[in-house]
Amino acid sequence: LAKTTQPISMDSYEGQEVNITCSHNNIATNDYITWYQQFPSQGPRFIIQGYKTKVTNEVASLFIPADRKSSTLSLPRVSLSDTAVYYCLVGRLSGGYQKVTFGIGTKLQVIP
Amino acid sequence: DVKVTQSSRYLVKRTGEKVFLECVQDMDHENMFWYRQDPGLGLRLIYFSYDVKMKEKGDIPEGYSVSREKKERFSLILESASTNQTSMYLCATTTGAITGELFFGEGSRLTVL
Repeated sequence: LAKTTQPISMDSYEGQEVNITCSHNNIATNDYITWYQQFPSQGPRFIIQGYKTKVTNEVASLFIPADRKSSTLSLPRVSLSDTAVYYCLVGRLSGGYQKVTFGIGTKLQVIP
Repeated sequence: DVKVTQSSRYLVKRTGEKVFLECVQDMDHENMFWYRQDPGLGLRLIYFSYDVKMKEKGDIPEGYSVSREKKERFSLILESASTNQTSMYLCATTTGAITGELFFGEGSRLTVL
């Protein structure tokens, strides 16, 4: 499993765009990049997943450069309700034998 | 929507007690996981199961066992609870597809006195 490195914490004002970068130098050819969001006293929730270039959904965008050694989660115009911990995962969920490992995550604090 | 239900949100047990944490999912998923989450350590995988009666150790299996007698139910067992097992326990499930996302329960906060 590729190891990931992301900032431990970030602060942002409401209405700003937030970019959280994750480093994964040892990513394998068949690995996907997935981001989860976790609010206090809840389980993590899937946000977005990608393999290369850019992926966008109603919640976020995910930017992946050509070498795939890093990825950036972009949250447009954050609000107070986006205060949460964000986890970057690299791996392939397949066949039931793949262990899914989370890191410490990035604690995002949105300030009024 | 996938629903993952954990039997207890909050439990308080005494050292040496046997503890059962149960997880039920309603989507016929093959794969189920148990994690524990502690401040500063993130989520750590305890055990996972890819089929009925099948299990694999995760990163921190010591002091835990699991049971999967039916596809929808995955139980975590603490044979003799200790204070260092005080934690938030999270159950998750996934289809096992290449891009399958994990679906988590709301967690069970266990305090061992």
